[in-house]
Amino acid sequence: DQQVKQNSPSLSVQEGRISILNCDYTNSMFDYFLWYKKYPAEGPTFLISISSIKDKNEDGRFTVFLNKSAKHLSLHIVPSQPGDSAVYFCAAFEYGNKLVFGAGTILRVKS
Amino acid sequence: KAGVTQTPRYLIKTRGQQVTLSCSPISGHRSVSWYQQTPGQGLQFLFEYFSETQRNKGNFPGRFSGRQFSNSRSEMNVSTLELGDSALYLCASSFQEGAGGYTFGSGTRLTVV
Repeated sequence: DQQVKQNSPSLSVQEGRISILNCDYTNSMFDYFLWYKKYPAEGPTFLISISSIKDKNEDGRFTVFLNKSAKHLSLHIVPSQPGDSAVYFCAAFEYGNKLVFGAGTILRVKS
Repeated sequence: KAGVTQTPRYLIKTRGQQVTLSCSPISGHRSVSWYQQTPGQGLQFLFEYFSETQRNKGNFPGRFSGRQFSNSRSEMNVSTLELGDSALYLCASSFQEGAGGYTFGSGTRLTVV
């Protein structure tokens, strides 16, 4: 049972444009949602998070939007840079329980 | 402040063998979680330890086991290795259990031949 789904395996974007990565979830009890970024041969690194009581969180070029009624969240990167090319994982957890990850989306930013 | 350290970085084993992977969390972190990453499957949760006790467990066979020591260091063991166990095994530590805030190590790349 996949509680967190990233339906797009890959995304290709031109440098300077917006990258939008999507994530859907099924567990309405999730309290917190996170995005991690992963380069090859490295562990995932935390990027940005959002509490279930918010609908938007912004940090520099990165903004995460949460739509609880649709059980959907998205990560916007504006403007996209070649260094943003990586695998992006959406994750969620309910306090006291494990962190659940999606399958990841490979983002390629072309210069 | 040192990050999460996983050893070894790479490992090649033969089917049927067993393997032990090690994880040293960030100093002061008492929770250690293990994940398996395979292409297309994302990060699959194995187990989480807090204060030497297993708190959460994923849907993996009993061949996968772990433990945590009093200094919060953790080991993961896989017995009777199968080809499908080839993956990147990631360890993450956090200050408290079940509260996110995980910092990941670089992982151990296990190849079973």
